[in-house]
Amino acid sequence: DVKVTQSSRYLVKRTGEKVFLECVQDMDHENMFWYRQDPGLGLRLIYFSYDVKMKEKGDIPEGYSVSREKKERFSLILESASTNQTSMYLCASSFNDFLQDEQFFGPGTRLTVL
Amino acid sequence: TQLLEQSPQFLSIQEGENLTVYCNSSSVFSSLQWYRQEPGEGPVLLVTVVTGGEVKKLKRLTFQFGDARKDSSLHITAAQPGDTGLYLCAEGGSNYKLTFGKGTLLTVNP
Repeated sequence: DVKVTQSSRYLVKRTGEKVFLECVQDMDHENMFWYRQDPGLGLRLIYFSYDVKMKEKGDIPEGYSVSREKKERFSLILESASTNQTSMYLCASSFNDFLQDEQFFGPGTRLTVL
Repeated sequence: TQLLEQSPQFLSIQEGENLTVYCNSSSVFSSLQWYRQEPGEGPVLLVTVVTGGEVKKLKRLTFQFGDARKDSSLHITAAQPGDTGLYLCAEGGSNYKLTFGKGTLLTVNP
């Protein structure tokens, strides 16, 4: 059974803290994605990676960075958390294949920044 | 970036009723995916439609892709409480990215 796991389901941090969200996939997928999901705004792409050590900005990269040192792991970093980064964060992965571009999602991390 | 509009935004119905939700764009879709996101979980792919006029069925769910490939619909027959969730359409683009609509939040009451 294919699986994408995220390090935490719920996380509470304080303003200014550095926050790491970890995502691991066991499907040998080349592509990995980080989204945030907010009511009324849908899923918005923060960053994605199509290979180890490669990263591309998505639609809303400001305030975030990412790291992909191994194929199976993609980390999202909030350098200095702010209250407007309170959100649901979803990680996803997919093959590098236009005929198989289904994205597999993790269960999400609900982050609250106080 | 193509904008996808989904309607309605919210839908609350009784068990056993039928419903249809829509996904529209001003541009032609290359292909369209439908996902369902249950409360507390990530989205899961239901179906991919590629060919204009295509109809796909998944048990009580029927997916249609418009002839002009600019719209799609999802019809659920005899809805059940287990159908409750957020239904998202998504269109593929360059670099294997997907553009998602904002979704239709469906609640099926027992």
